[in-house]
Amino acid sequence: ETGVTQTPRHLVMGMTNKKSLKCEQHLGHNAMYWYKQSAKKPLELMFVYSLEERVENNSVPSRFSPECPNSSHLFLHLHTLQPEDSALYLCASSQGGGLAGGRTQYFGPGTRLLVL
Amino acid sequence: KQEVTQIPAALSVPEGENLVLNCSFTDSAIYNLQWFRQDPGKGLTSLLLIQSSQREQTSGRLNASLDKSSGRSTLYIAASQPGDSATYLCAVSNAGGTSYGKLTFGQGTILTVHP
Repeated sequence: ETGVTQTPRHLVMGMTNKKSLKCEQHLGHNAMYWYKQSAKKPLELMFVYSLEERVENNSVPSRFSPECPNSSHLFLHLHTLQPEDSALYLCASSQGGGLAGGRTQYFGPGTRLLVL
Repeated sequence: KQEVTQIPAALSVPEGENLVLNCSFTDSAIYNLQWFRQDPGKGLTSLLLIQSSQREQTSGRLNASLDKSSGRSTLYIAASQPGDSATYLCAVSNAGGTSYGKLTFGQGTILTVHP
């Protein structure tokens, strides 16, 4: 266990559905991340939150909407997704600060999403 | 734009062999480089983190080296075991004055160690 949990672990949804992915970290970190891992493509950074403010939006379509209500929780709200959005969605956290930039990120187990 | 390449894409070796996984990156202005392990259907586990000022890091049977100027890193696994079978991912964090880590990942090397 890395101290980062994600729910649900598996999700099947239709293109008209609305669902949310949840991530919780128990490590006292102040930065949280969403990544997308598609088959045959490298892991792609989607969003970064530092101190509960979004500091990075990596050209992600608006059908993905992140929310960070506090430093321990991160959500990814999904609506009107496309079949090509099917992937493993990974959450991570790290302790930011200073010039270290890019400290070790701790990953959750991921949510396997299938869009029909 | 940073690009990370890992070679080989897949590797199958008999138990006990020493092996080397390769990672290259196009932009040498990095803060650090990390090696991760991913088991099927699971998240990532950080194995080693090398700061840009360092040359190598060791943890047990694992040794990672970094040649920042040439944009290369290697992960050396000694005396491989079937339990080492997994996908190994290389990721770099680029400099830029930010305090959080924006990682760029390679596509990974799928390692199979057979008994």
